[in-house]
Amino acid sequence: ELKVEQNPLFLSMQEGKNYTIYCNYSTTSDRLYWYRQDPGKSLESLFVLLSNGAVKQEGRLMASLDTKARLSTLHITAAVHDLSATYFCADYNFNKFYFGSGTKLNVKP
Amino acid sequence: DAGVTQSPTHLIKTRGQQVTLRCSPISGHKSVSWYQQVLGQGPQFIFQYYEKEERGRGNFPDRFSARQFPNYSSELNVNALLLGDSALYLCASSLALSGFQETQYFGPGTRLLVL
Repeated sequence: ELKVEQNPLFLSMQEGKNYTIYCNYSTTSDRLYWYRQDPGKSLESLFVLLSNGAVKQEGRLMASLDTKARLSTLHITAAVHDLSATYFCADYNFNKFYFGSGTKLNVKP
Repeated sequence: DAGVTQSPTHLIKTRGQQVTLRCSPISGHKSVSWYQQVLGQGPQFIFQYYEKEERGRGNFPDRFSARQFPNYSSELNVNALLLGDSALYLCASSLALSGFQETQYFGPGTRLLVL
């Protein structure tokens, strides 16, 4: 079965620190999506990565894609409390979307 | 511009009943996808419709069905409800067929509780 695995599942970090969330996927897809979900809310699209080596940045978040390693990373720089949320990566293959279990990020002041 | 809208916001049903969930995409968007999100888990893909045709189907039983109307709105139907169908049902729309570079925009969801 095709899988998307994220780690860590839970991440507690101090404001101002850097950290990386990892997303491994098992398909041969060359595209990867990142979403954010606040508690009790819907999903917000963060990044769409469409090719090997793709890198996108928005504020304190930077996402990259390595299709050969089937790995995407979401790097957080100088975290702030407003980044506290659950982050999902998702793969698209064989006309289906596959989501990871999510990484719940808590940024402490 | 209005975002993706879904109705109802909350719903309580009993086992064995049938439910219909509705989704209106962003104006101009022709693709609608449906997801089931159980508390504490990632969304599970159910269907994608584009130009009123089914373009993708997840691993859900035949009790789940959907359709897309000429105005691109969509309905998700679930028959013979089970307790395990309790979840947040999310609808997402995109300009074109999702999965080929298109960003998906998610609605607020319908929270279904099956008793």
